[in-house]
Amino acid sequence: DAKTTQPPSMDCAEGRAANLPCNHSTISGNEYVYWYRQIHSQGPQYIIHGLKNNETNEMASLIITEDRKSSTLILPHATLRDTAVYYCIARGNEKLTFGTGTRLTIIP
Amino acid sequence: EAGVVQSPRYKIIEKKQPVAFWCNPISGHNTLYWYLQNLGQGPELLIRYENEEAVDDSQLPKDRFSAERLKGVDSTLKIQPAELGDSAVYLCASSLEGQREQFFGPGTRLTVL
Repeated sequence: DAKTTQPPSMDCAEGRAANLPCNHSTISGNEYVYWYRQIHSQGPQYIIHGLKNNETNEMASLIITEDRKSSTLILPHATLRDTAVYYCIARGNEKLTFGTGTRLTIIP
Repeated sequence: EAGVVQSPRYKIIEKKQPVAFWCNPISGHNTLYWYLQNLGQGPELLIRYENEEAVDDSQLPKDRFSAERLKGVDSTLKIQPAELGDSAVYLCASSLEGQREQFFGPGTRLTVL
């Protein structure tokens, strides 16, 4: 799986959109971009995934650049419950390879 | 729908003692994963089962770690003997064949003294 790079931490004001960037410049054509998050003392939770088109679900939106070398996870209206570590993963097979993620803190 | 169940949630043992963790995946999920998560790090895959078969155990330290999934449902991960460096959270996850989303349990936090 391709390596991903994320900022170690970010803050976002409650009610604002949280935009979490991820670089995956070596991603190959068959690798999907996956996002998981991990709230303190819980297991990781799936958020969203995509290949090359932008995706949206009830939790978030995923914007993938046309060259697929980077992506952004968007939480449209962040709440305090969105405080977590967010993992961006480039996945080509059954294996999930987690990095150290971005610790997102939502500020009241 | 019940999620992935793990027990115990916390375990404290002395080094050189054995320890076992249990996982009950989501009903109908044929794929089961065990992950290890060290403090401040992301989870790392230890072993993946497809039904009863361990299809990827390349990261499992086989000198002291073992796992089983005898009937293709519940699974047990064992460490014998435990070392200080085994202190970590052990996560179990499951997924449905053909679906790539993995569902994680809450984990077992192991402390080896």
